Amino acid sequence: NAGVTQTPKFQVLKTGQSMTLQCAQDMNHEYMSWYRQDPGMGLRLIHYSVGAGITDQGEVPNGYNVSRSTTEDFPLRLLSAAPSQTSVYFCASSQGGGGDDGYTFGSGTRLTVV
Amino acid sequence: TQLLEQSPQFLSIQEGENLTVYCNSSSVFSSLQWYRQEPGEGPVLLVTVVTGGEVKKLKRLTFQFGDARKDSSLHITAAQPGDTGLYLCAVAINDYKLSFGAGTTVTVRA
Repeated sequence: NAGVTQTPKFQVLKTGQSMTLQCAQDMNHEYMSWYRQDPGMGLRLIHYSVGAGITDQGEVPNGYNVSRSTTEDFPLRLLSAAPSQTSVYFCASSQGGGGDDGYTFGSGTRLTVV
Repeated sequence: TQLLEQSPQFLSIQEGENLTVYCNSSSVFSSLQWYRQEPGEGPVLLVTVVTGGEVKKLKRLTFQFGDARKDSSLHITAAQPGDTGLYLCAVAINDYKLSFGAGTTVTVRA
């Protein structure tokens, strides 16, 4: 059981480039989220989805797009990378929204924008 | 301003010692979660506490939810190097969103 799989593990981008961070889960979870983690700031929610075809913005959505065409996949797209987007990105999933059962996290993508 | 304030920010202790980390807020929550994150990995859920005054134990880890459901503590007895990591508390803001504290980095020296 793989859980939540994120690719790539590491990525370096130049300012202005675009890319997609991949996230897949095999637990048939309805809820999926993207967080970014920066030193001293904890994890901040970028976008989330409550099911296939349904997405919404979190705390820090600017510069990012998401889509959810299947239950399993929830890619995060950086439209035009900026140095402020240098961070570690985590994808997470939950069956019940995370309040009681919590979220299962992937191992993260460390992104550097130069 | 963070919804959840964790203290201390860093904690370094010798193997065998005890430690306590805290998670505080001025808001009341229906439940609170604790995660541990090891370097290069994502957070892993340790426990969810839901009742004011509740105490849960997970081997050498003891979690307590404050009577007023505004705060929580994590106590580790006889810490081991394997307990090293970033400890995060989190609360569900709604059905879709968790709000995290900034975390306590714990280092247990052998």
